[in-house]
Amino acid sequence: AAGVIQSPRHLIKEKRETATLKCYPIPRHDTVYWYQQGPGQDPQFLISFYEKMQSDKGSIPDRFSAQQFSDYHSELNMSSLELGDSALYFCASSQTVRQGITVEQYFGPGTRLTVT
Amino acid sequence: GQNIDQPTEMTATEGAIVQINCTYQTSGFNGLFWYQQHAGEAPTFLSYNVLDGLEEKGRFSSFLSRSKGYSYLLLKELQMKDSASYLCAVTSRGSTLGRLYFGRGTQLTVWP
Repeated sequence: AAGVIQSPRHLIKEKRETATLKCYPIPRHDTVYWYQQGPGQDPQFLISFYEKMQSDKGSIPDRFSAQQFSDYHSELNMSSLELGDSALYFCASSQTVRQGITVEQYFGPGTRLTVT
Repeated sequence: GQNIDQPTEMTATEGAIVQINCTYQTSGFNGLFWYQQHAGEAPTFLSYNVLDGLEEKGRFSSFLSRSKGYSYLLLKELQMKDSASYLCAVTSRGSTLGRLYFGRGTQLTVWP
């Protein structure tokens, strides 16, 4: 079965550089979530999109932005990178989430970002 | 806000049964998930509870008591490959579009 695809899998950047992470959800999944997981930490929700519109926003720095495109893939853009941005970035997708109805999220393999 | 608590580490032997507990405090509880995560890999969905009671799926079962803010994940016939971190996560009606709030995870080590 098709899974969530993320690219790149590994990324090394220097401080103050920019990075773009891509996520391709499972076919027919229309909701995408981004999570950040630091070393030894639990995943922290950053932002989500439903039908190409931002649906929820968590602890995402103002230096980061994201969008979902017409083909439902999503990109997380990170600027002015800091050492503390080094983490695993997961994308997850799910089918339509209607009011009060929660469905499971399927996670991609993650992008490991290292800022030096 | 959400407050999710689970033990940091647990150990067990192959073939045994282990129960991982999770307590939570959340406004507008709307479901509890258990995920398995091997080091450096993506969380893998294990189970979902929204109503009180036990959900069984093969060697894994998950229980929920909403009145007590309590859940547990039961793993039977443990195998070495079950060594991983187990994450308890909740969703809230305050965020109707599915944001997951994770606990810190329980690192389970299975010994031969």
